Amino acid sequence: DADVTQTPRNRITKTGKRIMLECSQTKGHDRMYWYRQDPGLGLRLIYYSFDVKDINKGEISDGYSVSRQAQAKFSLSLESAIPNQTALYFCATSDFSLGTQYFGPGTRLTVL
Amino acid sequence: GQQVMQIPQYQHVQEGEDFTTYCNSSTTLSNIQWYKQRPGGHPVFLIQLVKSGEVKKQKRLTFQFGEAKKNSSLHITATQTTDVGTYFCAGLRASGTYKYIFGTGTRLKVLA
Repeated sequence: DADVTQTPRNRITKTGKRIMLECSQTKGHDRMYWYRQDPGLGLRLIYYSFDVKDINKGEISDGYSVSRQAQAKFSLSLESAIPNQTALYFCATSDFSLGTQYFGPGTRLTVL
Repeated sequence: GQQVMQIPQYQHVQEGEDFTTYCNSSTTLSNIQWYKQRPGGHPVFLIQLVKSGEVKKQKRLTFQFGEAKKNSSLHITATQTTDVGTYFCAGLRASGTYKYIFGTGTRLKVLA
Protein backbone atom coordinates (compact mmCIF):
# COMPACT_ATOMS: atom_id res chain seq x y z
CA ASP A 1 0.00 0.00 0.00
CA ALA A 2 1.20 3.56 -0.67
CA ASP A 3 0.56 4.23 3.02
CA VAL A 4 3.70 2.26 3.86
CA THR A 5 6.88 3.39 2.13
CA GLN A 6 10.38 1.96 2.16
CA THR A 7 13.66 3.51 1.14
CA PRO A 8 15.77 2.63 -0.70
CA ARG A 9 13.94 0.23 -3.02
CA ASN A 10 17.16 -1.35 -4.21
CA ARG A 11 20.62 -1.34 -2.72
CA ILE A 12 23.88 -3.00 -3.63
CA THR A 13 26.62 -2.85 -1.02
CA LYS A 14 29.84 -4.56 -0.05
CA THR A 15 30.67 -6.88 2.81
CA GLY A 16 31.40 -5.00 6.02
CA LYS A 17 29.45 -1.86 5.15
CA ARG A 18 26.80 -0.40 7.45
CA ILE A 19 23.38 -0.20 5.84
CA MET A 20 20.14 1.39 7.01
CA LEU A 21 16.74 0.61 5.55
CA GLU A 22 13.94 3.01 6.37
CA CYS A 23 10.20 2.56 6.69
CA SER A 24 7.52 5.21 7.07
CA GLN A 25 3.76 4.83 7.42
CA THR A 26 0.80 7.16 7.32
CA LYS A 27 -1.76 4.61 8.55
CA GLY A 28 -1.48 5.72 12.16
CA HIS A 29 -0.70 2.19 13.32
CA ASP A 30 1.22 1.52 16.51
CA ARG A 31 2.67 -1.82 15.43
CA MET A 32 5.51 -2.10 12.94
CA TYR A 33 7.51 -5.07 11.70
CA TRP A 34 10.58 -5.93 9.66
CA TYR A 35 10.59 -9.15 7.66
CA ARG A 36 13.10 -10.83 5.42
CA GLN A 37 12.02 -12.89 2.41
CA ASP A 38 14.19 -15.60 0.89
CA PRO A 39 13.08 -18.06 -1.81
CA GLY A 40 11.50 -21.15 -0.30
CA LEU A 41 11.62 -19.75 3.24
CA GLY A 42 8.69 -17.40 3.17
CA LEU A 43 8.69 -14.31 5.38
CA ARG A 44 10.74 -14.39 8.55
CA LEU A 45 10.34 -11.83 11.29
CA ILE A 46 13.48 -9.87 12.19
CA TYR A 47 12.19 -7.30 14.71
CA TYR A 48 8.87 -5.86 15.72
CA SER A 49 7.68 -2.87 17.72
CA PHE A 50 4.30 -2.41 19.36
CA ASP A 51 4.88 1.26 20.17
CA VAL A 52 7.68 3.81 20.20
CA LYS A 53 9.17 2.50 23.43
CA ASP A 54 8.76 -1.18 22.63
CA ILE A 55 11.27 -3.19 20.56
CA ASN A 56 11.25 -6.98 20.31
CA LYS A 57 13.44 -9.53 18.59
CA GLY A 58 11.88 -11.81 16.04
CA GLU A 59 13.03 -15.17 14.68
CA ILE A 60 16.24 -13.97 13.03
CA SER A 61 17.50 -10.80 14.75
CA ASP A 62 21.24 -11.65 14.81
CA GLY A 63 23.22 -9.19 12.69
CA TYR A 64 20.39 -6.64 12.67
CA SER A 65 19.31 -3.74 14.85
CA VAL A 66 16.31 -1.43 14.70
CA SER A 67 15.25 2.03 15.79
CA ARG A 68 11.70 3.33 16.27
CA GLN A 69 12.22 7.04 15.87
CA ALA A 70 8.52 7.91 15.96
CA GLN A 71 5.18 6.16 15.67
CA ALA A 72 5.44 6.48 11.90
CA LYS A 73 9.09 5.50 11.42
CA PHE A 74 10.90 2.22 11.94
CA SER A 75 14.40 1.68 10.57
CA LEU A 76 16.44 -1.49 10.19
CA SER A 77 20.25 -1.46 10.31
CA LEU A 78 22.86 -3.96 9.26
CA GLU A 79 25.94 -2.93 11.23
CA SER A 80 28.36 -4.95 9.12
CA ALA A 81 26.67 -6.46 6.09
CA ILE A 82 27.52 -9.99 4.97
CA PRO A 83 26.56 -11.80 1.74
CA ASN A 84 23.99 -14.08 3.37
CA GLN A 85 21.99 -10.98 4.27
CA THR A 86 21.20 -10.61 0.58
CA ALA A 87 17.41 -10.76 0.50
CA LEU A 88 14.16 -8.88 -0.01
CA TYR A 89 13.22 -6.89 3.08
CA PHE A 90 9.67 -5.86 3.91
CA CYS A 91 8.35 -3.45 6.47
CA ALA A 92 4.78 -3.92 7.68
CA THR A 93 2.33 -2.22 10.02
CA SER A 94 -0.77 -3.37 11.82
CA ASP A 95 -3.56 -2.12 13.96
CA PHE A 96 -4.08 -4.21 17.06
CA SER A 97 -7.82 -4.49 16.74
CA LEU A 98 -7.72 -5.81 13.17
CA GLY A 99 -4.47 -7.69 13.09
CA THR A 100 -4.17 -7.21 9.33
CA GLN A 101 -0.62 -6.43 8.29
CA TYR A 102 0.00 -3.83 5.58
CA PHE A 103 3.26 -4.28 3.76
CA GLY A 104 5.55 -1.76 2.13
CA PRO A 105 6.86 -2.30 -1.40
CA GLY A 106 10.07 -3.94 -0.18
CA THR A 107 13.80 -3.24 -0.40
CA ARG A 108 15.96 -5.57 -2.45
CA LEU A 109 19.39 -5.70 -0.79
CA THR A 110 22.44 -7.29 -2.37
CA VAL A 111 25.62 -7.71 -0.34
CA LEU A 112 28.67 -8.49 -2.44
CA GLY B 1 12.88 -23.13 13.03
CA GLN B 2 9.90 -22.78 10.75
CA GLN B 3 6.75 -23.82 12.62
CA VAL B 4 4.20 -23.22 9.90
CA MET B 5 4.59 -25.30 6.80
CA GLN B 6 2.75 -25.00 3.51
CA ILE B 7 2.33 -27.53 0.74
CA PRO B 8 2.87 -27.67 -2.08
CA GLN B 9 5.79 -25.29 -2.55
CA TYR B 10 4.96 -24.86 -6.24
CA GLN B 11 1.89 -25.62 -8.34
CA HIS B 12 1.35 -25.23 -12.06
CA VAL B 13 -2.23 -25.51 -13.29
CA GLN B 14 -4.05 -25.01 -16.55
CA GLU B 15 -6.41 -22.07 -16.55
CA GLY B 16 -9.79 -23.29 -15.37
CA GLU B 17 -8.43 -26.01 -13.10
CA ASP B 18 -8.83 -25.85 -9.34
CA PHE B 19 -5.99 -25.19 -6.90
CA THR B 20 -5.53 -25.86 -3.19
CA THR B 21 -2.75 -24.93 -0.78
CA TYR B 22 -2.49 -26.33 2.72
CA CYS B 23 -1.02 -24.75 5.82
CA ASN B 24 0.01 -26.80 8.88
CA SER B 25 1.17 -25.55 12.25
CA SER B 26 3.01 -27.49 14.94
CA THR B 27 1.14 -25.54 17.61
CA THR B 28 -2.45 -24.46 18.14
CA LEU B 29 -3.25 -21.12 16.58
CA SER B 30 -5.44 -18.31 17.84
CA ASN B 31 -6.22 -17.26 14.30
CA ILE B 32 -4.81 -17.50 10.81
CA GLN B 33 -4.45 -15.02 8.00
CA TRP B 34 -3.90 -15.50 4.28
CA TYR B 35 -1.91 -13.19 2.02
CA LYS B 36 -1.24 -13.05 -1.71
CA GLN B 37 1.96 -11.75 -3.24
CA ARG B 38 1.95 -11.05 -6.96
CA PRO B 39 5.27 -11.50 -8.81
CA GLY B 40 7.48 -8.52 -8.01
CA GLY B 41 4.99 -7.23 -5.46
CA HIS B 42 4.41 -7.26 -1.74
CA PRO B 43 2.09 -9.45 0.35
CA VAL B 44 -1.51 -8.26 0.41
CA PHE B 45 -4.01 -9.38 3.04
CA LEU B 46 -6.82 -11.63 1.84
CA ILE B 47 -8.68 -12.87 4.89
CA GLN B 48 -8.54 -13.81 8.58
CA LEU B 49 -10.08 -16.92 10.16
CA VAL B 50 -10.66 -17.09 13.90
CA LYS B 51 -13.14 -19.83 14.79
CA SER B 52 -12.53 -23.57 14.84
CA GLY B 53 -13.92 -25.12 11.66
CA GLU B 54 -14.59 -21.73 10.10
CA VAL B 55 -15.17 -21.52 6.35
CA LYS B 56 -15.16 -18.24 4.44
CA LYS B 57 -15.61 -17.54 0.75
CA GLN B 58 -14.46 -14.70 -1.46
CA LYS B 59 -15.81 -15.23 -4.96
CA ARG B 60 -13.77 -18.20 -6.28
CA LEU B 61 -11.63 -18.48 -3.12
CA THR B 62 -12.63 -20.70 -0.19
CA PHE B 63 -10.74 -20.58 3.08
CA GLN B 64 -11.00 -23.15 5.88
CA PHE B 65 -9.66 -23.28 9.42
CA GLY B 66 -9.29 -26.75 10.91
CA GLU B 67 -11.27 -28.01 13.87
CA ALA B 68 -8.11 -28.25 15.98
CA LYS B 69 -6.98 -24.78 14.82
CA LYS B 70 -3.64 -26.20 13.65
CA ASN B 71 -4.25 -26.26 9.92
CA SER B 72 -5.90 -24.25 7.18
CA SER B 73 -6.48 -24.40 3.47
CA LEU B 74 -7.11 -22.07 0.56
CA HIS B 75 -8.99 -23.43 -2.45
CA ILE B 76 -9.37 -21.56 -5.73
CA THR B 77 -12.07 -22.77 -8.09
CA ALA B 78 -11.53 -22.41 -11.85
CA THR B 79 -8.22 -20.58 -11.72
CA GLN B 80 -7.58 -17.54 -13.87
CA THR B 81 -4.29 -15.97 -14.97
CA THR B 82 -4.91 -13.20 -12.45
CA ASP B 83 -4.54 -15.78 -9.66
CA VAL B 84 -0.80 -16.08 -10.36
CA GLY B 85 1.35 -15.36 -7.34
CA THR B 86 2.54 -16.75 -4.03
CA TYR B 87 0.01 -17.46 -1.30
CA PHE B 88 1.11 -17.27 2.32
CA CYS B 89 -0.64 -18.25 5.50
CA ALA B 90 0.30 -16.53 8.75
CA GLY B 91 -0.62 -18.02 12.09
CA LEU B 92 -0.94 -16.31 15.44
CA ARG B 93 0.04 -18.62 18.28
CA ALA B 94 -2.64 -19.31 20.86
CA SER B 95 -0.13 -18.56 23.62
CA GLY B 96 2.92 -16.38 23.85
CA THR B 97 3.63 -13.02 22.30
CA TYR B 98 1.43 -11.38 19.72
CA LYS B 99 3.30 -12.07 16.49
CA TYR B 100 2.40 -13.93 13.37
CA ILE B 101 4.48 -16.78 11.95
CA PHE B 102 4.34 -16.94 8.18
CA GLY B 103 4.22 -20.15 6.25
CA THR B 104 6.74 -20.98 3.55
CA GLY B 105 4.31 -20.03 0.79
CA THR B 106 2.89 -21.75 -2.29
CA ARG B 107 3.79 -20.32 -5.67
CA LEU B 108 0.99 -20.70 -8.19
CA LYS B 109 1.46 -20.49 -11.94
CA VAL B 110 -1.55 -20.55 -14.22
CA LEU B 111 -1.05 -21.61 -17.82
CA ALA B 112 -3.43 -20.03 -20.33
